[in-house]
Amino acid sequence: DGGITQSPKYLFRKEGQNVTLSCEQNLNHDAMYWYRQDPGQGLRLIYYSQIVNDFQKGDIAEGYSVSREKKESFPLTVTSAQKNPTAFYLCASSSPSGGRTEAFFGQGTRLTVV
Amino acid sequence: AQSVTQLGSHVSVSEGALVLLRCNYSSSVPPYLFWYVQYPNQGLQLLLKYTSAATLVKGINGFEAEFKKSETSFHLTKPSAHMSDAAEYFCAVSANRDDKIIFGKGTRLHILP
Repeated sequence: DGGITQSPKYLFRKEGQNVTLSCEQNLNHDAMYWYRQDPGQGLRLIYYSQIVNDFQKGDIAEGYSVSREKKESFPLTVTSAQKNPTAFYLCASSSPSGGRTEAFFGQGTRLTVV
Repeated sequence: AQSVTQLGSHVSVSEGALVLLRCNYSSSVPPYLFWYVQYPNQGLQLLLKYTSAATLVKGINGFEAEFKKSETSFHLTKPSAHMSDAAEYFCAVSANRDDKIIFGKGTRLHILP
């Protein structure tokens, strides 16, 4: 089945550590996104990528980094510079060139700093 | 820059009553508009989308939304609420086909028995 896979589902990090969240899609979508969700804040865009080897900052990119070396993969690294990383992280993809303008979402990764 | 405003962070309706969730958008160009639903600890599922075709858009689970350019609105409705509709709903906007998708803060829908 085609879809978006985020791993792990739950992740615990010690303060000062970097951690990488995985996002893989087999939908052949060109565009991929990372959102952060906090209670009452909705989804805020961290980074997005419209093609391989290119990505743009969203509204809250500080303390995060991404790479897009392959079409299928868009990993997100939460660095120690992110002051409040505890949140629910959602990865999504879309295929504007294929007429699928809407975003398809993974099941999310819940990150907790301990 | 485009944005969406969802009016009411919590909405309660009785089972069988009309559901109305409000969304107003801001966009400098004709927008693409979306409604998503999220159940606890899950990703988002698309309910419906508007992409400059018919202004009344029908989606899954009996939901529909009407695009009103004059009011810059894209409100979500369902004639008769079911208990299973209890969830969080997000309105989203994109300025064009290739642009980023921006979400509102969400409205949590409560269904009263």
